[in-house]
Amino acid sequence: DTGVSQDPRHKITKRGQNVTFRCDPISEHNRLYWYRQTLGQGPEFLTYFQNEAQLEKSRLLSDRFSAERPKGSFSTLEIQRTEQGDSAMYLCASSFKYGGENTEAFFGQGTRLTVV
Amino acid sequence: QQQVKQSPQSLIVQKGGISIINCAYENTAFDYFPWYQQFPGKGPALLIAIRPDVSEKKEGRFTISFNKSAKQFSLHIMDSQPGDSATYFCAASENDYKLSFGAGTTVTVRA
Repeated sequence: DTGVSQDPRHKITKRGQNVTFRCDPISEHNRLYWYRQTLGQGPEFLTYFQNEAQLEKSRLLSDRFSAERPKGSFSTLEIQRTEQGDSAMYLCASSFKYGGENTEAFFGQGTRLTVV
Repeated sequence: QQQVKQSPQSLIVQKGGISIINCAYENTAFDYFPWYQQFPGKGPALLIAIRPDVSEKKEGRFTISFNKSAKQFSLHIMDSQPGDSATYFCAASENDYKLSFGAGTTVTVRA
């Protein structure tokens, strides 16, 4: 396991279509995060899982967005009825925290979404 | 509302020079301040991080200076190299979870 893996790397979709992205975190990392990054900006937090529980969702995450992390392993982020404003890089990150032990957040290479 | 303000937006430095990037925050509950480096088409990678109990941390050519009373921190890149050309993001978090990022600084190192 060499890092956080995201699939696909690039996705072009027509407005109104649904898309789903996958993130495979580093093994044994219990925390998983989704961020969105638009051109020229820093990543913005979308949502966060500890194991399989989704503990926080940003106001940026509209009702069209849903994320899951079944069994506390990989995660999926689905966007329904895509809009041009959804075009961005979607980044996944994972980390481990248990008691006093903590690791940094490692990011994947992201999925670049273009809505046409 | 951006919780971490970063400047400058971009900078150009000669090879061997010093790059300085500044960040400021308002949330006094932040207790972890990392800097990330990002190359085009890649995800951010942790460069160096500091906690508020120290005022400076150095790793190789990279140094973080932290001023808790001013709620400011900065990244210094010494002896800048062309391979350092990238976008740098400061960030902050509370209780080691979600990160609030600055808007980024694009650094160009001229040979």
